[in-house]
Amino acid sequence: DAKTTQPPSMDCAEGRAANLPCNHSTISGNEYVYWYRQIHSQGPQYIIHGLKNNETNEMASLIITEDRKSSTLILPHATLRDTAVYYCIVRGTNAGKSTFGDGTTLTVKP
Amino acid sequence: DAGVTQSPTHLIKTRGQQVTLRCSPKSGHDTVSWYQQALGQGPQFIFQYYEEEERQRGNFPDRFSGHQFPNYSSELNVNALLLGDSALYLCASSLPSRGGNTIYFGEGSWLTVV
Repeated sequence: DAKTTQPPSMDCAEGRAANLPCNHSTISGNEYVYWYRQIHSQGPQYIIHGLKNNETNEMASLIITEDRKSSTLILPHATLRDTAVYYCIVRGTNAGKSTFGDGTTLTVKP
Repeated sequence: DAGVTQSPTHLIKTRGQQVTLRCSPKSGHDTVSWYQQALGQGPQFIFQYYEEEERQRGNFPDRFSGHQFPNYSSELNVNALLLGDSALYLCASSLPSRGGNTIYFGEGSWLTVV
């Protein structure tokens, strides 16, 4: 699995968009970009994933650059409950292990 | 549709003892992976089971072993517990498809070794 790089922490004002970046410059052609978040003491929660195209679901949007070397997770209207550690990983269809870094701690402030 | 379930949620063991953690995958999933997460760190891959066999293993000693049953549920066993084994143990299940290979996590089992 390719390695990802994320900033260790970010702040966001409640109600504003939170944009979380991730670099994955060594991603392979068959690897998807996945985002998870982990609220304290709970298991990681799946948010969204994509291969090439931008994706949107009820939780977030995922923007992947054309060269696929980086991506951005967008939480359009952050709430206090979005405060969590966000992990970006890359994973192939036949992948076994997934390599997690230390993620980005997002703090949403009132 | 039940998600990934793990038991027990919390347990305390003494150094040198053995522990067994259990996991039931999300309905329809046939592949189970186990991760260890120390405080303040991201999850670290232990191993993956598919068709009742260990398919891939991370950098963990042989004290960590597992099993997958015909119904796809799985167990993680850790022998000769060390203080450093204290962590959150996460089970994740997946089912590869044309749309990717999303892994879904359970809530984990908190293990404290004293």
